[in-house]
Amino acid sequence: NAGVMQNPRHLVRRRGQEARLRCSPMKGHSHVYWYRQLPEEGLKFMVYLQKENIIDESGMPKERFSAEFPKEGPSILRIQQVVRGDSAAYFCASSPPIAGVGETQYFGPGTRLLVL
Amino acid sequence: EDKVVQSPLSLVVHEGDTVTLNCSYEVTNFRSLLWYKQEKKAPTFLFMLTSSGIEKKSGRLSSILDKKELFSILNITATQTGDSAVYLCAVDNNNDMRFGAGTRLTVKP
Repeated sequence: NAGVMQNPRHLVRRRGQEARLRCSPMKGHSHVYWYRQLPEEGLKFMVYLQKENIIDESGMPKERFSAEFPKEGPSILRIQQVVRGDSAAYFCASSPPIAGVGETQYFGPGTRLLVL
Repeated sequence: EDKVVQSPLSLVVHEGDTVTLNCSYEVTNFRSLLWYKQEKKAPTFLFMLTSSGIEKKSGRLSSILDKKELFSILNITATQTGDSAVYLCAVDNNNDMRFGAGTRLTVKP
């Protein structure tokens, strides 16, 4: 059973370009979470999705950021018109469809975005 | 292949008990090891460890790293029901970050 996959692992963009980060959850997992990590800081929650549904996007910036988790295919975190401050590691995690507090999330290896 | 292994996977204790959570790792280009507490949503950062033998402490929680034996432990003394959570260990190897599967701690009153 493959773990959570993220690609690309490293992404370099120039200011103003678009960045697309992909996350394939573990097999059987229908919940996906996106986090952002700035250097020397902890993980910051961005968005929680189920298939075709955004459950909680309270951590998403209001502009330029969007996320989706279609019925088929990976979850995508999209950043439009990137700025240097978007440079960070973005982690995706998945969990099985079991209700409850603090369900174990399985993390991917992350995508390191660098905006020049 | 880089890996991070946490043990035990699950632990049930009673209030007042002391617990020790383990994290062993095999990574190239080790940079740091991080501990997180995960409750409902986002993991909460606890500690970052970069040097062997230096204990980091925050209240009832403490952690130490052994870079020779490639492991870290997280200690929680006088546990409370609010300590119930999944505790994640992650290792930053300069290229990416590898997470363990977590230890689910349940503290009963």
